[in-house]
Amino acid sequence: AQKITQTQPGMFVQEKEAVTLDCTYDTSDPSYGLFWYKQPSSGEMIFLIYQGSYDQQNATEGRYSLNFQKARKSANLVISASQLGDSAMYFCAMNRGNAGGTSYGKLTFGQGTILTVHP
Amino acid sequence: DVKVTQSSRYLVKRTGEKVFLECVQDMDHENMFWYRQDPGLGLRLIYFSYDVKMKEKGDIPEGYSVSREKKERFSLILESASTNQTSMYLCASPPDIQGSYEQYFGPGTRLTVT
Repeated sequence: AQKITQTQPGMFVQEKEAVTLDCTYDTSDPSYGLFWYKQPSSGEMIFLIYQGSYDQQNATEGRYSLNFQKARKSANLVISASQLGDSAMYFCAMNRGNAGGTSYGKLTFGQGTILTVHP
Repeated sequence: DVKVTQSSRYLVKRTGEKVFLECVQDMDHENMFWYRQDPGLGLRLIYFSYDVKMKEKGDIPEGYSVSREKKERFSLILESASTNQTSMYLCASPPDIQGSYEQYFGPGTRLTVT
């Protein structure tokens, strides 16, 4: 079974500063993918970034980067130069990769972290 | 550009009512999912379907059933709604490529059972 843990229920950051949202995971699958989603107050789920378990380099997408430490089973999201529009709920999630059997695209989610950006 | 739609954004039902939540995707995907989102618990998988008329239980199927008569439509059914089913319900439909990271979510249905 897969498990995702986000230990920060809420985080605060000053506008233009960087912030790290923590995510640890547990799985026995040899291949897996790690995701981060943003959910604004409107409710839609916005895909931010993806890291495959065999990817050698940390994923980056604009101001988002994923600090992947496989041995520690952590996949922290780093948001650089925070903006007011970054205030939202953030979810870490994982699924099985190609070598992990048929997953049908199922995702296992963490509890979420509410990020508030102060002006 | 709409990919996944849900029949209602907000829904208020009474205890004991039969409730239907509809999800439609226009991407011709095989797989569709229903998740439930609660504060402090994140999203949890209720049911999923990998083909027409095919379904599998997720982590919290109790009190729910599903129907997939057509490829594009996946319905979540609350046979007899209870107050503990008050929640946000999200439908999702990933592509059929194994391991793909694209996931398409609907806008969500916020259900209140009184």
